[in-house]
Amino acid sequence: EPEVTQTPSHQVTQMGQEVILRCVPISNHLYFYWYRQILGQKVEFLVSFYNNEISEKSEIFDDQFSVERPDGSNFTLKIRSTKLEDSAMYFCASSAWRLDTQYFGPGTRLTVL
Amino acid sequence: SQQGEEDPQALSIQEGENATMNCSYKTSINNLQWYRQNSGRGLVHLILIRSNEREKHSGRLRVTLDTSKKSSSLLITASRAADTASYFCATDASNNNDMRFGAGTRLTVKP
Repeated sequence: EPEVTQTPSHQVTQMGQEVILRCVPISNHLYFYWYRQILGQKVEFLVSFYNNEISEKSEIFDDQFSVERPDGSNFTLKIRSTKLEDSAMYFCASSAWRLDTQYFGPGTRLTVL
Repeated sequence: SQQGEEDPQALSIQEGENATMNCSYKTSINNLQWYRQNSGRGLVHLILIRSNEREKHSGRLRVTLDTSKKSSSLLITASRAADTASYFCATDASNNNDMRFGAGTRLTVKP
């Protein structure tokens, strides 16, 4: 069964460094998302992406964040200058259509020191 | 905010019993989805129920949706120890597609 994959599974970085989290959505899906979950807290929506542009973003998704679909398979989340509070699990998701089931990847645990 | 809020926060039952978890939300929705998360792992999609549906089944799972009360319930019948996980409802508002999650119900099924 097709699944969303994410790399790396765990990323450790120093505060102020840039990180890129990578996702490979399900191949025939058109909508892509990033969510994050701070340890012990709710899953929070960050951004949705369709047709090579951001369709929606939350208040968390500020200028430090950017997303890109550099080729036909990858979908990336970049954090330009990481802060301690960016430490969280980051989940990528994809759906075939706008109001369809969102399938989640296994997540990347980001630790900012 | 349209995010779902689950109730109870934690539920502990014996294997074989049924588990019922509830979700309430605030605004009109297109869909409501239930997910399961094992500790420290990814989210596994369980069921999507659309705003014009009232009930859906999938194996031992039964989901109901009452849009007049802005609430949903997830029933797991004949629970197993492997059902131990956190269960989240997620809603998307009528005018956008971003899903908002509740804080989840932590279900423990004792063997």
